[in-house]
Amino acid sequence: GAVVSQHPSRVICKSGTSVKIECRSLDFQATTMFWYRQFPKQSLMLMATSNEGSKATYEQGVEKDKFLINHASLTLSTLTVTSAHPEDSSFYICSANSLLGVTEAFFGQGTRLTVV
Amino acid sequence: SQKIEQNSEALNIQEGKTATLTCNYTNYSPAYLQWYRQDPGRGPVFLLLIRENEKEKRKERLKVTFDTTLKQSLFHITASQPADSATYLCALASGSSNTGKLIFGQGTTLQVKP
Repeated sequence: GAVVSQHPSRVICKSGTSVKIECRSLDFQATTMFWYRQFPKQSLMLMATSNEGSKATYEQGVEKDKFLINHASLTLSTLTVTSAHPEDSSFYICSANSLLGVTEAFFGQGTRLTVV
Repeated sequence: SQKIEQNSEALNIQEGKTATLTCNYTNYSPAYLQWYRQDPGRGPVFLLLIRENEKEKRKERLKVTFDTTLKQSLFHITASQPADSATYLCALASGSSNTGKLIFGQGTTLQVKP
């Protein structure tokens, strides 16, 4: 199946700093990618839809100025957590679909963010 | 509001038995439903997709049913093995079915004991 690579897999940062997470589709082009957040023992919560060449669409309650999304090419989307706080510590996962429409999502391996 | 519910309790079964996981949804009319497996600290991996006009779908030891009247999907693993131990998530398309945007249930953790 298609491969989505996410980097880094783990990151520890200090409060107030920013962290960038990359999501790449390795063997297909993705005009749309999705960013999720997952707290321990909870499900994936969709944060935003990343659209290549245009602004991301954020879900209700997600601060777009705090979670900056850039989708500059058909194979790369980045999520930057700005001015991170301990409550931002979570597991962040991206996904992409290789085709529009009815198809499965391919997920990255996730990024464990710890803000100290 | 749209809601997806899975068995919140962990499911513990003996190796060789059939595991059955439930996914119920409300305020949805999904065109299709998907099941994913998630191991600790990893992203979900796609298992099966079933469309609204399909009653049942199989893949090796996996079977999924989809009852749009009951608004329920059942996920079965036959001849379960310890390697099947993981969290299983059901997911429905959010909004337009062509966006690829998914809403997930909270997942059911399966533990298969040898």
